[in-house]
This record gives sequence, C-alpha cells and structure tokens, in this order.
Amino acid sequence: NAGVMQNPRHLVRRRGQEARLRCSPMKGHSHVYWYRQLPEEGLKFMVYLQKENIIDESGMPKERFSAEFPKEGPSILRIQQVVRGDSAAYFCASSPVLDYGYTFGSGTRLTVV
Amino acid sequence: QQQVKQSPQSLIVQKGGIPIINCAYENTAFDYFPWYQQFPGKGPALLIAIRPDVSEKKEGRFTISFNKSAKQFSLHIMDSQPGDSATYFCAASAQGGKLIFGQGTELSVKP
Repeated sequence: NAGVMQNPRHLVRRRGQEARLRCSPMKGHSHVYWYRQLPEEGLKFMVYLQKENIIDESGMPKERFSAEFPKEGPSILRIQQVVRGDSAAYFCASSPVLDYGYTFGSGTRLTVV
Repeated sequence: QQQVKQSPQSLIVQKGGIPIINCAYENTAFDYFPWYQQFPGKGPALLIAIRPDVSEKKEGRFTISFNKSAKQFSLHIMDSQPGDSATYFCAASAQGGKLIFGQGTELSVKP
C-alpha cells in the first residue's frame, strides 16, 4: 500500500508564476490536510478537505492560495502569483476518517526565485 | 491560546542517554497530543501519541509523560541511538482535524 504521494518533490518558480502541488492520499483515505513548513520552523496548518468539500481553511492565506480535492484525482494546492515568501516545504497528510493519527507525505519543496 | 511551546530548540546527547523534550499548551480543549519524528528531506512520521486521560504512555524506547494540571507533556527517548538523530515535533489537537505543532527540537545523538 503506497503511502501519501506528493509531486513534484521539488518545484522552482519565478516570482509571479503559479505553483500547483499535488497530493494523492493513501488508498481508502478520504480526508486530506495541507501543512506548510518554513525553514527552521514547525508545521503550520493550512487546510483540511474531504472529497469535494473544504472543511477547514482557517490556515490558508486569504489571497493567492486555493485548495481542492475533487471526486476523482489528487488534491491540489494552488498558489497564484508566487512571491519569495512562499518558498517552503508543503506537506500533505491523509486519514481514512476524521482521525488524529494521519500519515504525511514526503512534501513538495517550493523555491521561488 | 492556540500555541504549543516546545523546548529545547536543540539537544545533544551521548549514545545511551535519555533526551527529554518538553511541550506546554494553554488551550484546555486540546484532547490529543502526538509526537512526530522528521528526518531531513522527509515528512513527519507519527511516533507516539497520548490523550489527557492517562499520565504516561510507552511504546518501545519512547515514553510520553503528561501532566494535565500543568498543561505540559514531554517525550523521553530511552537508550538513545545515533539513528534517533532527527527533528522532533510535539503537537496538539482538539476534536480531530487540525494539528497545532510546536517549533521542533533538533536532536543529535553522538556515538
């Protein structure tokens, strides 16, 4: 059973471009969470989604960031018009039910140049 | 009130030593307290977790001690090994979903 798959592992974008980060949850998992980790910092919650629904987006910046988890396919975290401050590691996690012990992917490291 | 404060920021111990990492919280609604281990370039991996109705939980060489009245909990690693060198994060959650993470502790176990 493959774990939580994130791609790409590394992403370089120029300022003003769009970044799309993909997360395929573990098989049978319908709950997806996104976290951001800035250098030398802990993980910060961004958004919690179930299939086709955003449950909690209290950690998402109000502008330029959006997330979706469609009925078919991976969850997508989209960052429009990226700025240098968006450079970070973005982690996705999944769980089969509303549960605490969810599994993290290996992350996407976004670098904005 | 949503913060989890973790200390120390970094820790160096000799092989066989018992590193202790501490966390404190304010929100009494938190009802789940996990610890995660993260190696460079990897995602966090769940190590062990505790709920506030118990004061201690052991899994292998890892022990969580929980003090509900003081709103503190700690991770102890028995007989630490160089392979335990990693960054450790405590976290807390209320009623599922969102985890609030501490700032992390970089542990180095010297041979």
